[in-house]
Amino acid sequence: GQNIDQPTEMTATEGAIVQINCTYQTSGFNGLFWYQQHAGEAPTFLSYNVLDGLEEKGRFSSFLSRSKGYSYLLLKELQMKDSASYLCAVCAGNNRKLIWGLGTSLAVNP
Amino acid sequence: DADVTQTPRNRITKTGKRIMLECSQTKGHDRMYWYRQDPGLGLRLIYYSFDVKDINKGEISDGYSVSRQAQAKFSLSLESAIPNQTALYFCATAQGVGYNEQFFGPGTRLTVL
Repeated sequence: GQNIDQPTEMTATEGAIVQINCTYQTSGFNGLFWYQQHAGEAPTFLSYNVLDGLEEKGRFSSFLSRSKGYSYLLLKELQMKDSASYLCAVCAGNNRKLIWGLGTSLAVNP
Repeated sequence: DADVTQTPRNRITKTGKRIMLECSQTKGHDRMYWYRQDPGLGLRLIYYSFDVKDINKGEISDGYSVSRQAQAKFSLSLESAIPNQTALYFCATAQGVGYNEQFFGPGTRLTVL
């Protein structure tokens, strides 16, 4: 079967660093996406990894290990506005559908 | 102007009514998707389309139908709405080549009484 696991909730402090993990088991792999979703709003794209290693984009970085079926999203210098749900999604198979995790709800406290 | 728009943004209806949710995009993307999102269940794919003549069922298509009227328009219909179709519905688009990110519309909050 196809499965994506990520923690349900996390809490962090403003200015700190937080790492959100995602593990996956899928039939085939064509890349892994991270999205941010504020409550009641649409998901917005954060990052895409298809090769092993770290992709850095400002305060956000994403890491992938294909052999381990593992990724993480690293958020630095946390701000209150980073309080949101973070969705991990894997593109698997020839039909280019995304398999979505349930999301990690991050609360950033002062 | 938003690249992906959805109408209506909010809708309250009664059981048994027919409802149509509309999605339009100006991104020139070939691929379009309809999802629903429920608390604790995440995003679930209802239907997807790779072009006007290519429409496919997703994981939860029962009770729904779609129409791809043009490259830019993809509509979702609930023929006879039921309360468990109460959810947040998102339309998304993606480029037709490669494995590209999906761009989401603002969502439609549908309540079926």
